[in-house]
Amino acid sequence: LAKTTQPISMDSYEGQEVNITCSHNNIATNDYITWYQQFPSQGPRFIIQGYKTKVTNEVASLFIPADRKSSTLSLPRVSLSDTAVYYCLDTNAGKSTFGDGTTLTVKP
Amino acid sequence: ETGVTQSPTHLIKTRGQQVTLRCSSQSGHNTVSWYQQALGQGPQFIFQYYREEENGRGNFPPRFSGLQFPNYSSELNVNALELDDSALYLCASSLADVLTDTQYFGPGTRLTVL
Repeated sequence: LAKTTQPISMDSYEGQEVNITCSHNNIATNDYITWYQQFPSQGPRFIIQGYKTKVTNEVASLFIPADRKSSTLSLPRVSLSDTAVYYCLDTNAGKSTFGDGTTLTVKP
Repeated sequence: ETGVTQSPTHLIKTRGQQVTLRCSSQSGHNTVSWYQQALGQGPQFIFQYYREEENGRGNFPPRFSGLQFPNYSSELNVNALELDDSALYLCASSLADVLTDTQYFGPGTRLTVL
């Protein structure tokens, strides 16, 4: 499974919408795109998953273009508790390769 | 629904020793994956077990080995510990019969090798 590319860090303010974009240059046909959130000294927590177009759940939206070479995680109205590392992955039947993630810092 | 649990929470060993880490999968899940996460880095895939058989392995030497039991709990064994083995070890369970399965991670075991 390929490793994805994403920005090392991002800053935002409470109440803003945050968009984190990821490159999936080597994604395979059967791979899904999955995003995880991780707080210090905890295991990653599933946020959202999709194959293409748009997926929305109660915490985030995921936008995937037709070529699936990128994805954008959208977090509406972030709060201080959204400060964490966010990982985008190509996943296939439970196998995943994590990159180094994007550290999101939400400021008051 | 019971989440993924790991034991112990923390562990200190010395170089050359052996260690066994344990993971209890989420109820109903038949697959467990183990990851090593060094400080400041993303989790690195060690291996995956599916129905008690190894089902994929990352770039880790044979001194990293595992077991999955009929109740789908799992162990990670590391022999001849090295200083660089100090890391957070994560297990994740999933129901890997479908491509869209989601991995549920445990809280991890923090291993320190002195």
